[in-house]
Amino acid sequence: AQKITQTQPGMFVQEKEAVTLDCTYDTSDPSYGLFWYKQPSSGEMIFLIYQGSYDQQNATEGRYSLNFQKARKSANLVISASQLGDSAMYFCAMREFPLTSGTYKYIFGTGTRLKVLA
Amino acid sequence: EAQVTQNPRYLITVTGKKLTVTCSQNMNHEYMSWYRQDPGLGLRQIYYSMNVEVTDKGDVPEGYKVSRKEKRNFPLILESPSPNQTSLYFCASSLRQFSGANVLTFGAGSRLTVL
Repeated sequence: AQKITQTQPGMFVQEKEAVTLDCTYDTSDPSYGLFWYKQPSSGEMIFLIYQGSYDQQNATEGRYSLNFQKARKSANLVISASQLGDSAMYFCAMREFPLTSGTYKYIFGTGTRLKVLA
Repeated sequence: EAQVTQNPRYLITVTGKKLTVTCSQNMNHEYMSWYRQDPGLGLRQIYYSMNVEVTDKGDVPEGYKVSRKEKRNFPLILESPSPNQTSLYFCASSLRQFSGANVLTFGAGSRLTVL
């Protein structure tokens, strides 16, 4: 069964420093996608970055990059040059692409609450 | 503006009083889904729909019903709410493709309290 694990319930980072949020996943399907979403205190869910299981390069979107280590089944989010506005809850998620069932679900981790310190 | 609209945003109800949370999207997305968010548990998928008249259970479907009669709408029905259904609920939609990002677009959330 697919599973997402985020082991860091909360983290602090100094403004302008880089921070890594951990995410490990478990799936038996060779085809899947990994996502990171940000949830600020206002509550909305904001898409940050996506990595496909067959993508050769690590995904990057501005200050966000995804450190994808397929053999270790990890998809860590790296935020460079942290800003006060980065303080939020961050969720890692996965979607499989099962070839037999033709349907798919999304699985989310429990989240990491990041606090950026001035 | 491309969006997913949920209503109501906030609701306090009592045990056993049927309620419906509506969800509508204007992006012509095939895939729609419902999640509940609880502290320490993250988001858990309740139901999802691959297209009109096609729905399937997520990980926590007990106590909920859904229907997908139109492509744009995917209401969540609580036939007999109980206090353990007190939660923050999100509706989300995406294109239905079996490759590529298919990023979920989320609604603003509906905070439900069952007394």
